[in-house]
Amino acid sequence: GESVGLHLPTLSVQEGDNSIINCAYSNSASDYFIWYKQESGKGPQFIIDIRSNMDKRQGQRVTVLLNKTVKHLSLQIAATQPGDSAVYFCAEGTGFQKLVFGTGTRLLVSP
Amino acid sequence: NAGVMQNPRHLVRRRGQEARLRCSPMKGHSHVYWYRQLPEEGLKFMVYLQKENIIDESGMPKERFSAEFPKEGPSILRIQQVVRGDSAAYFCASSRSGSGDTQYFGPGTRLTVL
Repeated sequence: GESVGLHLPTLSVQEGDNSIINCAYSNSASDYFIWYKQESGKGPQFIIDIRSNMDKRQGQRVTVLLNKTVKHLSLQIAATQPGDSAVYFCAEGTGFQKLVFGTGTRLLVSP
Repeated sequence: NAGVMQNPRHLVRRRGQEARLRCSPMKGHSHVYWYRQLPEEGLKFMVYLQKENIIDESGMPKERFSAEFPKEGPSILRIQQVVRGDSAAYFCASSRSGSGDTQYFGPGTRLTVL
């Protein structure tokens, strides 16, 4: 069945470092991918998305890379800050309707 | 510009009672999605609705769960005869349209069944 998974459950980095969070997906028909950030007790917050016809998209301090050949998605956060500490979820969609979420990676940023 | 609103934020019910969770989408959004999240897990899709229509309920349990999005008022997720296994965080998301638009999430309702 469809699944979206993450390689690393917890990522610890120092403030100022660059962070890379990875995600694997299995549904080759997925055409929309999103990264969400979820802080404790809050709802998921949209970070950045990418369509399947792209392989890279940049936002403010964040970059998403999509490799359809190996079905891999990554989120790069530049100059990681303590406020970036949260759980990050990748999600995939087909037809831009229901999303299938991965299990999440916890990012811990130490000063 | 208010985001997606959900209430109540916390709900405690005893086994066998009913739970009603409300979601008001962002202004201008007519598409609503409900997801469930267990502790330390990702969100699981439950149901997708447009005004007065259920578009996809493939993630909704067949019994005890129902959802609606009336012409006026918030979307409601209703759980009848709750059991302990229903304890979870329930998130609502909304989008402007059902195709190509980002889903924005509310703060969630945390349901605890005693």
